[in-house]
Amino acid sequence: DVKVTQSSRYLVKRTGEKVFLECVQDMDHENMFWYRQDPGLGLRLIYFSYDVKMKEKGDIPEGYSVSREKKERFSLILESASTNQTSMYLCASREPGRNEQYFGPGTRLTVT
Amino acid sequence: DAKTTQPTSMDCAEGRAANLPCNHSTISGNEYVYWYRQIHSQGPQYIIHGLKNNETNEMASLIITEDRKSSTLSLPHATLRDTAVYYCIVRPLVPEYGNKLVFGAGTILRVKS
Repeated sequence: DVKVTQSSRYLVKRTGEKVFLECVQDMDHENMFWYRQDPGLGLRLIYFSYDVKMKEKGDIPEGYSVSREKKERFSLILESASTNQTSMYLCASREPGRNEQYFGPGTRLTVT
Repeated sequence: DAKTTQPTSMDCAEGRAANLPCNHSTISGNEYVYWYRQIHSQGPQYIIHGLKNNETNEMASLIITEDRKSSTLSLPHATLRDTAVYYCIVRPLVPEYGNKLVFGAGTILRVKS
């Protein structure tokens, strides 16, 4: 079974703090994604990575950056957390050439 | 991507079959039907996908009509843990580069004891 893990299920940070969210997958998938999910707005793509050290902006990259130094790990960084970044953050991975994505359990981030 | 229509919510008794319909009348020839679900406060979970033949895996069965304009996801013996929002989407098998996942409103399935 594909397993995607995220570093924290719940996180509380203060405005202005730098926040690291980590995602690890164990299926040797090349493609990895970071989404955020908010009530009424559905899933929104922040960044994706199609291979190590490769990254592309999604629909809402502002205020975020990412790092993919190893194939299995994709990190999302909030350089200076703000209250409007309070959300559920979801990491996913997928084999190239396949459409099904496998998600981690999510990190519910609260910025106060 | 073709649009899908699902009922807003459904109830099912524990142990009975849960059959969730999805209408995708504008599906094109190269698009597959995919199902995901999301249990409250968890990440979405891929369930199954198919093109035109019925498909079965350890989680569910997918029945696609001959004209491919609708499909049904069947959970043969629903349990309380199957309570979730179920999403039906249609996508090409081979995604475009960086193709993101977009869910509609989905069907809230409530399994009751």
